[in-house]
Amino acid sequence: QVQLVESGGGVVQPGGSLRLSCATSGFSFTSCAMHWVRQAPGRGLEWLALILYDGSDKYRANSVKGRFTISRDISQNTLHLQMNSLTTEDTAVYYCARGGKPGTHYIDSWGQGTLVTVSS
Amino acid sequence: QTVVTQEPALSVSPGGTVTLTCGLSSGSVSTSYFPSWYQQIPGQAPRTLIYTTNTRSSGVPDRFSGSILGNKAALTITGAQADDECDYYCVLFKSEDTWLFGGGTKLTVL
Repeated sequence: QVQLVESGGGVVQPGGSLRLSCATSGFSFTSCAMHWVRQAPGRGLEWLALILYDGSDKYRANSVKGRFTISRDISQNTLHLQMNSLTTEDTAVYYCARGGKPGTHYIDSWGQGTLVTVSS
Repeated sequence: QTVVTQEPALSVSPGGTVTLTCGLSSGSVSTSYFPSWYQQIPGQAPRTLIYTTNTRSSGVPDRFSGSILGNKAALTITGAQADDECDYYCVLFKSEDTWLFGGGTKLTVL
């Protein structure tokens, strides 16, 4: 079955960087678009970034443009999110998620999330 | 900036029917936004319920249904059960770089 396992979360100081990873299994990684979505404590879900199939097309929310970069390692079936210039506003649980079939424009599977805490 | 609107909180009696809606701060929601709905128990990852307006995700019981009602997307739960008590989020697809998440509806079953 589809498995998405995030890692790399932790505590980081403001201005610091962190790289999240999402190990995937149970499906053809290169056939699926992949997303990162986050949820700040007590808040709703926020879409962050999307990467399409072979990684050639990437999209980011305005709130993280210039700071966050999504990428995928096809050889390892792993999704990444490089986060730079972190602020306390970036404190959240970060979810890796799989996109639905082409043309359906939804998220069909979610990882369990990894917590990122930005604090001095 | 376009904002997706959801009722912050709703309640339903066990066995009853409730409709959650998903609108836009400006404009109407149509099938062109590919509305999808997600259920989240606090402390857990979201679960996908409905996509492309009214298609149930695998394993989702048929008491969950999606539609367009007027100028909004809607999620209707019929025969509400105690374990339906959680948060529900709608998502509207505007473009590959714009995925609009609603603020969520906290559903209480009492």
